[in-house]
Amino acid sequence: KQEVTQIPAALSVPEGENLVLNCSFTDSAIYNLQWFRQDPGKGLTSLLLIQSSQREQTSGRLNASLDKSSGRSTLYIAASQPGDSATYLCAVGGGSTLGRLYFGRGTQLTVWP
Amino acid sequence: EAGVAQSPRYKIIEKRQSVAFWCNPISGHATLYWYQQILGQGPKLLIQFQNNGVVDDSQLPKDRFSAERLKGVDSTLKIQPAKLEDSAVYLCASTQGGEKLFFGSGTQLSVL
Repeated sequence: KQEVTQIPAALSVPEGENLVLNCSFTDSAIYNLQWFRQDPGKGLTSLLLIQSSQREQTSGRLNASLDKSSGRSTLYIAASQPGDSATYLCAVGGGSTLGRLYFGRGTQLTVWP
Repeated sequence: EAGVAQSPRYKIIEKRQSVAFWCNPISGHATLYWYQQILGQGPKLLIQFQNNGVVDDSQLPKDRFSAERLKGVDSTLKIQPAKLEDSAVYLCASTQGGEKLFFGSGTQLSVL
Protein backbone atom coordinates (compact mmCIF):
# COMPACT_ATOMS: atom_id res chain seq x y z
CA LYS A 1 0.00 0.00 0.00
CA GLN A 2 1.29 3.45 -0.92
CA GLU A 3 2.23 5.66 2.03
CA VAL A 4 2.85 9.37 1.56
CA THR A 5 4.66 11.45 4.19
CA GLN A 6 5.08 15.20 4.29
CA ILE A 7 7.66 17.08 6.31
CA PRO A 8 7.39 19.45 8.08
CA ALA A 9 3.82 19.25 9.37
CA ALA A 10 3.81 23.00 9.96
CA LEU A 11 6.01 25.90 8.96
CA SER A 12 5.92 29.57 9.96
CA VAL A 13 8.18 32.04 8.15
CA PRO A 14 8.50 35.78 7.53
CA GLU A 15 7.52 37.19 4.18
CA GLY A 16 10.19 37.00 1.49
CA GLU A 17 11.78 33.71 2.50
CA ASN A 18 12.37 30.88 0.05
CA LEU A 19 10.77 27.64 1.24
CA VAL A 20 11.12 23.93 0.64
CA LEU A 21 8.33 21.48 1.43
CA ASN A 22 9.13 17.79 1.35
CA CYS A 23 7.13 14.76 0.31
CA SER A 24 8.17 11.11 0.32
CA PHE A 25 6.34 7.99 -0.88
CA THR A 26 6.98 4.29 -0.38
CA ASP A 27 6.07 2.78 -3.76
CA SER A 28 7.94 4.20 -6.76
CA ALA A 29 5.47 2.71 -9.27
CA ILE A 30 3.51 5.93 -9.72
CA TYR A 31 1.75 7.58 -12.65
CA ASN A 32 2.32 11.11 -11.47
CA LEU A 33 2.66 13.38 -8.47
CA GLN A 34 0.60 16.45 -7.73
CA TRP A 35 0.90 19.31 -5.30
CA PHE A 36 -2.33 20.88 -4.06
CA ARG A 37 -3.14 23.92 -2.01
CA GLN A 38 -6.01 23.87 0.52
CA ASP A 39 -7.38 27.00 2.14
CA PRO A 40 -9.52 26.75 5.30
CA GLY A 41 -13.09 25.77 4.50
CA LYS A 42 -12.33 25.30 0.84
CA GLY A 43 -11.53 22.49 -1.51
CA LEU A 44 -8.20 21.63 -3.05
CA THR A 45 -6.58 23.56 -5.87
CA SER A 46 -4.07 21.78 -8.07
CA LEU A 47 -0.78 23.68 -8.24
CA LEU A 48 1.57 21.43 -10.18
CA LEU A 49 1.34 18.03 -11.83
CA ILE A 50 4.52 16.08 -12.60
CA GLN A 51 4.31 13.01 -14.81
CA SER A 52 6.33 10.00 -13.74
CA SER A 53 8.70 10.54 -16.69
CA GLN A 54 9.38 14.16 -15.75
CA ARG A 55 11.84 15.59 -13.27
CA GLU A 56 10.23 18.93 -12.46
CA GLN A 57 7.48 21.43 -13.20
CA THR A 58 7.39 25.18 -12.68
CA SER A 59 4.57 27.67 -12.32
CA GLY A 60 5.40 31.23 -11.37
CA ARG A 61 7.14 31.21 -7.99
CA LEU A 62 6.53 27.48 -7.54
CA ASN A 63 8.84 24.69 -8.60
CA ALA A 64 8.25 21.02 -7.92
CA SER A 65 10.78 18.27 -8.45
CA LEU A 66 10.36 14.51 -8.57
CA ASP A 67 12.90 11.78 -7.90
CA LYS A 68 10.88 8.65 -8.46
CA SER A 69 13.71 6.22 -7.75
CA SER A 70 14.22 7.60 -4.25
CA GLY A 71 10.53 8.23 -3.65
CA ARG A 72 10.85 11.96 -3.03
CA SER A 73 9.42 15.24 -4.22
CA THR A 74 10.02 18.80 -3.13
CA LEU A 75 7.95 21.93 -3.59
CA TYR A 76 10.00 25.09 -3.71
CA ILE A 77 8.27 28.41 -3.07
CA ALA A 78 10.31 31.48 -3.94
CA ALA A 79 9.90 34.85 -2.24
CA SER A 80 7.01 33.75 -0.03
CA GLN A 81 4.04 36.08 0.54
CA PRO A 82 1.30 36.17 3.19
CA GLY A 83 -1.13 35.04 0.49
CA ASP A 84 0.79 31.77 0.28
CA SER A 85 -0.48 30.83 3.73
CA ALA A 86 -2.42 27.58 3.34
CA THR A 87 -2.01 23.83 3.70
CA TYR A 88 0.00 22.19 0.94
CA LEU A 89 -0.81 18.59 0.10
CA CYS A 90 1.27 16.15 -1.88
CA ALA A 91 -0.61 13.41 -3.75
CA VAL A 92 0.76 10.44 -5.62
CA GLY A 93 -1.16 8.94 -8.52
CA GLY A 94 -0.98 5.17 -8.66
CA GLY A 95 -2.81 1.97 -7.95
CA SER A 96 -5.00 0.08 -10.32
CA THR A 97 -7.02 3.01 -11.64
CA LEU A 98 -5.86 6.22 -13.24
CA GLY A 99 -6.80 9.19 -11.16
CA ARG A 100 -6.63 7.43 -7.81
CA LEU A 101 -4.55 9.67 -5.56
CA TYR A 102 -2.79 8.86 -2.30
CA PHE A 103 -2.43 11.99 -0.18
CA GLY A 104 -0.04 13.02 2.54
CA ARG A 105 -1.28 14.82 5.64
CA GLY A 106 -0.04 18.17 4.37
CA THR A 107 2.23 20.98 5.48
CA GLN A 108 0.47 23.93 7.10
CA LEU A 109 2.30 27.07 5.97
CA THR A 110 2.00 30.48 7.61
CA VAL A 111 3.77 33.45 6.06
CA TRP A 112 3.69 36.54 8.24
CA PRO A 113 4.29 40.09 7.08
CA GLU B 1 -16.27 27.85 -16.44
CA ALA B 2 -18.27 26.76 -13.42
CA GLY B 3 -16.45 24.61 -10.90
CA VAL B 4 -17.49 21.49 -9.04
CA ALA B 5 -20.61 22.25 -6.99
CA GLN B 6 -21.35 20.53 -3.69
CA SER B 7 -24.17 20.85 -1.20
CA PRO B 8 -24.79 21.27 1.61
CA ARG B 9 -21.69 23.07 2.90
CA TYR B 10 -22.27 21.94 6.48
CA LYS B 11 -24.34 19.22 8.10
CA ILE B 12 -24.76 18.29 11.73
CA ILE B 13 -26.53 15.06 12.63
CA GLU B 14 -26.75 12.64 15.51
CA LYS B 15 -25.24 9.18 15.31
CA ARG B 16 -27.41 6.55 13.68
CA GLN B 17 -29.16 9.16 11.54
CA SER B 18 -28.82 9.20 7.76
CA VAL B 19 -27.35 11.94 5.59
CA ALA B 20 -26.87 12.61 1.88
CA PHE B 21 -24.44 14.79 -0.01
CA TRP B 22 -24.81 16.05 -3.57
CA CYS B 23 -22.19 16.84 -6.20
CA ASN B 24 -22.44 18.37 -9.66
CA PRO B 25 -19.15 18.03 -11.56
CA ILE B 26 -17.77 20.32 -14.20
CA SER B 27 -19.75 19.97 -17.40
CA GLY B 28 -18.32 17.31 -19.66
CA HIS B 29 -16.20 15.64 -16.98
CA ALA B 30 -16.72 11.90 -17.28
CA THR B 31 -14.86 10.88 -14.13
CA LEU B 32 -16.14 11.75 -10.67
CA TYR B 33 -14.59 11.00 -7.28
CA TRP B 34 -15.71 11.15 -3.67
CA TYR B 35 -12.97 11.66 -1.08
CA GLN B 36 -13.22 11.68 2.71
CA GLN B 37 -10.91 14.02 4.63
CA ILE B 38 -10.74 13.54 8.38
CA LEU B 39 -9.37 16.47 10.36
CA GLY B 40 -5.57 16.54 10.23
CA GLN B 41 -5.33 13.92 7.50
CA GLY B 42 -5.09 13.90 3.74
CA PRO B 43 -8.15 13.02 1.64
CA LYS B 44 -8.88 9.32 1.13
CA LEU B 45 -10.66 8.01 -1.96
CA LEU B 46 -14.07 6.49 -1.26
CA ILE B 47 -15.38 5.85 -4.76
CA GLN B 48 -14.60 6.65 -8.38
CA PHE B 49 -17.15 6.77 -11.22
CA GLN B 50 -16.53 6.71 -14.94
CA ASN B 51 -19.73 8.11 -16.45
CA ASN B 52 -22.39 6.24 -14.45
CA GLY B 53 -20.31 3.14 -13.75
CA VAL B 54 -18.23 2.43 -10.64
CA VAL B 55 -14.50 2.08 -11.33
CA ASP B 56 -13.16 1.78 -7.79
CA ASP B 57 -15.09 1.46 -4.54
CA SER B 58 -12.59 -0.67 -2.67
CA GLN B 59 -12.36 1.77 0.27
CA LEU B 60 -16.07 2.51 0.56
CA PRO B 61 -17.60 1.09 3.78
CA LYS B 62 -20.43 -0.55 1.94
CA ASP B 63 -22.34 -1.56 5.06
CA ARG B 64 -23.22 2.10 5.65
CA PHE B 65 -22.07 4.14 2.65
CA SER B 66 -23.65 4.17 -0.79
CA ALA B 67 -23.18 6.34 -3.85
CA GLU B 68 -24.79 6.69 -7.21
CA ARG B 69 -24.29 8.70 -10.35
CA LEU B 70 -27.45 8.47 -12.35
CA LYS B 71 -27.21 9.59 -15.99
CA GLY B 72 -23.47 10.06 -15.60
CA VAL B 73 -23.69 13.64 -14.40
CA ASP B 74 -24.36 14.58 -10.78
CA SER B 75 -23.80 12.21 -7.90
CA THR B 76 -25.13 11.52 -4.41
CA LEU B 77 -23.22 10.01 -1.50
CA LYS B 78 -25.28 8.62 1.38
CA ILE B 79 -24.41 7.45 4.87
CA GLN B 80 -26.90 5.32 6.79
CA PRO B 81 -26.56 4.97 9.73
CA ALA B 82 -23.87 7.52 10.57
CA LYS B 83 -21.20 6.88 13.20
CA LEU B 84 -19.11 9.35 15.18
CA GLU B 85 -16.02 8.44 13.12
CA ASP B 86 -17.77 9.59 9.95
CA SER B 87 -17.22 13.21 11.00
CA ALA B 88 -15.12 14.60 8.16
CA VAL B 89 -15.15 16.78 5.08
CA TYR B 90 -16.52 14.99 2.03
CA LEU B 91 -14.92 16.22 -1.15
CA CYS B 92 -16.14 15.68 -4.68
CA ALA B 93 -13.75 15.97 -7.61
CA SER B 94 -14.00 15.54 -11.35
CA THR B 95 -11.77 15.25 -14.36
CA GLN B 96 -12.30 15.13 -18.09
CA GLY B 97 -10.15 12.06 -18.45
CA GLY B 98 -6.81 13.69 -17.91
CA GLU B 99 -5.03 13.53 -14.63
CA LYS B 100 -5.66 16.98 -13.21
CA LEU B 101 -8.50 16.83 -10.69
CA PHE B 102 -10.83 19.72 -9.91
CA PHE B 103 -12.25 19.68 -6.39
CA GLY B 104 -15.40 21.17 -4.94
CA SER B 105 -15.45 23.07 -1.63
CA GLY B 106 -16.66 20.03 0.25
CA THR B 107 -19.36 19.20 2.76
CA GLN B 108 -18.32 19.33 6.40
CA LEU B 109 -20.16 16.64 8.38
CA SER B 110 -20.33 16.58 12.17
CA VAL B 111 -21.81 13.49 13.80
CA LEU B 112 -22.77 14.04 17.45
